[in-house]
This record gives sequence, structure tokens and C-alpha cells, in this order.
Amino acid sequence: KNEVEQSPQNLTAQEGEFITINCSYSVGISALHWLQQHPGGGIVSLFMLSSGKKKHGRLIATINIQEKHSSLHITASHPRDSAVYICAVRSGGSNYKLTFGKGTLLTVNP
Amino acid sequence: DTAVSQTPKYLVTQMGNDKSIKCEQNLGHDTMYWYKQDSKKFLKIMFSYNNKELIINETVPNRFSPKSPDKAHLNLHINSLELGDSAVYFCASTKNQMGGGYTFGSGTRLTVV
Repeated sequence: KNEVEQSPQNLTAQEGEFITINCSYSVGISALHWLQQHPGGGIVSLFMLSSGKKKHGRLIATINIQEKHSSLHITASHPRDSAVYICAVRSGGSNYKLTFGKGTLLTVNP
Repeated sequence: DTAVSQTPKYLVTQMGNDKSIKCEQNLGHDTMYWYKQDSKKFLKIMFSYNNKELIINETVPNRFSPKSPDKAHLNLHINSLELGDSAVYFCASTKNQMGGGYTFGSGTRLTVV
């Protein structure tokens, strides 16, 4: 079982819909990252969270440390949001590596 | 100006060859990383350097050897390439080893034939 589990694996939505992608993890962490990988392959860091909630434009990320769970929300989705969204956790202590989920492929149709 | 640049973007080579991928960042970050993304798009850490010192060395065949001549550069040399080495390799950097936001390079697609 992967230390970082994402759901759903695939998500298809119509333009304008509200999107939620979930991430659960099983280890202690110092931070959680949400990344976006477009079809062209480049990876962009969207959020880094250690508690609470962050918002950037139409994107909102939340984390519940006690429940070891994070969600990424996209409001008013648009076809340009189509990408793979990857959750990654940074281990606590002196082990600073990132462990990745397998990603959620989001397709937003016009 | 590209913050984290990798070269080459594509690399096609025969089994048994030795190849290098270069990475440079102009962000003034102390920490750099190499990640491998397999055919199923799963990312996994390979190495990390902090200010030229190796701090993460995951279970990677010793045919892979990272080299950091200075904190702005982290190169990856691969000896005796195998078919299973075909993947996309991403370089990334953070301000320091405590983390912060990651900046990724655009990736190097390695195909071993």
C-alpha cells in the first residue's frame, strides 16, 4: 500500500463544475504539496500546506493533520484545468524526502 | 529566464551506453533533487543534494551517480544503460533542505533502445 493515496484516479467533469480531489497519507509529515502536471509534462507546484487552508485563484487546498487527509478543490472548472494533479508529502524529522501519490487525471470538457 | 533548466529534453540511446543529464537552477536555492517518473507516471525520489552534499540517496542502482559541482548544478550520470532506465527524469530545487516550495525542471525523457 502506497504511503500516499489519491482519489479518484480519473475524473471527468463538465466546464463550470466544482472539482474535489482527495489525498490520504499514513505517515507523519512536515508538509503536504499539491502539484500539477500538464499533458506537455512539466510539473508546477500549486500549494504547500502544513495546516489549515490555502487559496489561489480558483484553487483551494485544505489539510486535516489529525485525519491525515487533504483535499484540492477547483471552482468553476475550465478545460485548461485538465491535467494530472499529484499529492506529495514531505516526511517529518530529518528525512526530508517527498513521497508522491499516483496522481489524479482530471479532464474538463467544454 | 528558466528557473530550473535540464538538458537534454529528449535522449534516445542504446543499451549499454553511458549518458549524462544536466540540471542548473538560477534561484539561489541550496537544495536540489533528482526524481524519476516511470511509465505509469509515478514519481519517486532518487537523490538530493544540499549545498553540494548528498543528503538523500534512495535505493537506486549504483549505475546512477549524481554529481554536484556547486549548489546551482546537479548532474546525473548513468552507466551501462538498461531498458528499464527508460523514464522521465525531473530535476527540482528548494530553498533549503527544510523544504518550501518546489521548482521543477521540464524533465528529460530518456529512451533506451
